[in-house]
Amino acid sequence: AQSVTQLGSHVSVSEGALVLLRCNYSSSVPPYLFWYVQYPNQGLQLLLKYTTGATLVKGINGFEAEFKKSETSFHLTKPSAHMSDAAEYFCAVSDPGGSYIPTFGRGTSLIVHP
Amino acid sequence: EAGVTQSPTHLIKTRGQQATLRCSPISGHTSVYWYQQALGLGLQFLLWYDEGEERNRGNFPPRFSGRQFPNYSSELNVNALELEDSALYLCASSPKGKYSGNTIYFGEGSWLTVV
Repeated sequence: AQSVTQLGSHVSVSEGALVLLRCNYSSSVPPYLFWYVQYPNQGLQLLLKYTTGATLVKGINGFEAEFKKSETSFHLTKPSAHMSDAAEYFCAVSDPGGSYIPTFGRGTSLIVHP
Repeated sequence: EAGVTQSPTHLIKTRGQQATLRCSPISGHTSVYWYQQALGLGLQFLLWYDEGEERNRGNFPPRFSGRQFPNYSSELNVNALELEDSALYLCASSPKGKYSGNTIYFGEGSWLTVV
C-alpha cells in the first residue's frame, strides 16, 4: 500500500522568501507523484507531476519539485513567495502498476506574510 | 472547454436524511472519482467509476454509494446522514485509459452540511 506524509500542516513564510513544502511517500515501487494546490473555496488544481524521466519537474506559477528516490521525497519549492501563493497544497502518489487511484496527503497550508 | 462541474454548491440536510450530489466530467473523460474532504483529514477516496462501472471504493460504509451514467456523469448518494458526513465532496475526472500517471481534474466541490 502506498502512503504520503506531508510534514507540517502549516508553513509560514514572508513574501519574497523561499517556499519549501515537504512530501515523503511510501511505495513498494517507484511511484508517480503529484502536487496539487487548492485556493479557498475552490477545487484542486495540478501544479506539477513526475512520472518518468527528469527528476526535477517544473510546474505552473514558478513551482518545482525534485523526485529523490533515495530519500523517498518529492518536496515542492519556489524561490520567492508571492501573496497569491497562499493556499492549501496537497502531495499525491499513485502506483504505476496499481489501482489508478491517487492517494493524497493531508495537505499543508501555506501562509504568506507581507 | 468546460471543466468538471458539480452541483449543488451547498447542501444542508438533517441527520438521517439522504443527500445526492452530481458531477459532470470534462468532455471526453470516462473516469470519475469521488473524494471526501473533511476538516483536517485531507482527501479521503470514496469511489471510482470508469466507463459506467464501479471500479473501486474506499473505506466508507455502504450508505455511501453512487453510479455513473452512459454520458459519464455521476452521482454520489449518501443515505442515513450522520453529523460527521459534513464535508466538502470533490469530484474529479480523468481521460480514457487506465494509466496511473493520468492527471485527475477536480471540480470545485459540493459542501454538505448535516445538522
